[in-house]
Formats: sequence, C-alpha cells, structure tokens
Amino acid sequence: NAGVMQNPRHLVRRRGQEARLRCSPMKGHSHVYWYRQLPEEGLKFMVYLQKENIIDESGMPKERFSAEFPNEGPSILRIQQVVRGDSAAYFCASSLSTGPEREQYFGPGTRLTVT
Amino acid sequence: AQKITQTQPGMFVQEKEAVTLDCTYDTSDPSYGLFWYKQPSSGEMIFLIYQGSYDQQNATEGRYSLNFQKARKSANLVISASQLGDSAMYFCAMREFNTGNQFYFGTGTSLTVIP
Repeated sequence: NAGVMQNPRHLVRRRGQEARLRCSPMKGHSHVYWYRQLPEEGLKFMVYLQKENIIDESGMPKERFSAEFPNEGPSILRIQQVVRGDSAAYFCASSLSTGPEREQYFGPGTRLTVT
Repeated sequence: AQKITQTQPGMFVQEKEAVTLDCTYDTSDPSYGLFWYKQPSSGEMIFLIYQGSYDQQNATEGRYSLNFQKARKSANLVISASQLGDSAMYFCAMREFNTGNQFYFGTGTSLTVIP
C-alpha cells in the first residue's frame, strides 16, 4: 500500500518563475491537506481539499498561491511568480475521512528553493 | 495565542535512557486530538502516537507513551530506552474536532541520542 507520494522531492526555481508541486494521496483517500514548513519552524496549514472542491483555504496566502484536486490525477499546489520567501518544505497529507481520530498521513515533502 | 507550545528547542539523552519532550496546548474546544510526529533528517513526517481528549488512559505505542494531563493542558511525549535512531525533530500537533480540518503544529524539539 503506497503512502502519500509527492514530486518533485526538490525543486529549484528562479524568482518570478512558477512552481508546481504534486501530491498523490494514499489509495482510497479523498481528503488532501497542504502544509508549509519554513526553516526551523513547525508545519503551518495552508489548504484542505476534497475531490474537485476547496474546503478550507484559510492558510493560503491571498496572492500567487492556488491549489486544486481534480477528480482524476494528483493534487497540485501552484505558486506563481515565486519569491525568496517561498523557499520552504511543502508537505501534503491525506486522510480517509475527517473523523476525529483520523490521523493525516504525510508525504515526504517537496523542498522548494528560490534563487 | 499559540495553539501548541514546545519549549525545548534541543534535547540530549544518553542511549538506553528515557527522555520526556514537553508539549502544552491551548484550546477551548472540548473535543480534540493530540498527535506526535517524528521528522528525521531525511525530512518525512512519521506518525508516532495519538491521544484523544476524552481518552481515559494515557496512550502508549511501543517505546512511546504520552503523558496526558488535561487540566494542565499538557501532552508530553516519553521515549523509553532511547536508541540512536531516535535522533530527530519531534513535533507535537493538535486537531480541534469541532472546527476541523487542520493540524496545528508546535515548533518542534530536536532530540539527539548520545552513544
């Protein structure tokens, strides 16, 4: 049973370019969450999606960031016109449901470096 | 206010000894869950242990146990018989079930096990 997959594991972008981060949830999971981890910090929630729907995007920056989780294919976190402050590790997590005890299974993360 | 506070940026423990990693939390939701994750240098987030707010007994998983003191709002992780492979960052996290979806993470504790 494959875990949560993220790719690429490492991504280098120049300022102003676009970054696309992909997340394939665990088999059977329809709930996906994105988190950002800045250096020396804990993970911060960004967005929660179900298939075709954004449920909670309260942690997403208002500009340049977007996320989708289409009915077919992986979830995508897109960052347009990246800046140095976007350099971080981006983690995707998935869960089977949103029941109280449900842990979220994390992917290995994508480390974005903006030069 | 911080939802999760981890006051120990770094800890050292001798191999085979026990160590306690501190975590306090802040919530007004009566229904919540507390989680501990391990993040080794490779970067992935590994689930260790879960404690529900209504659980009567402290959670245990192998060498990990959670010292849950509800009145003090603390959820300390105890690792017994430390091993060299326990060296990693440890994150405490909380999920409020009535608001839902996201995890709140602390800033982490870096544990080093000394041979």
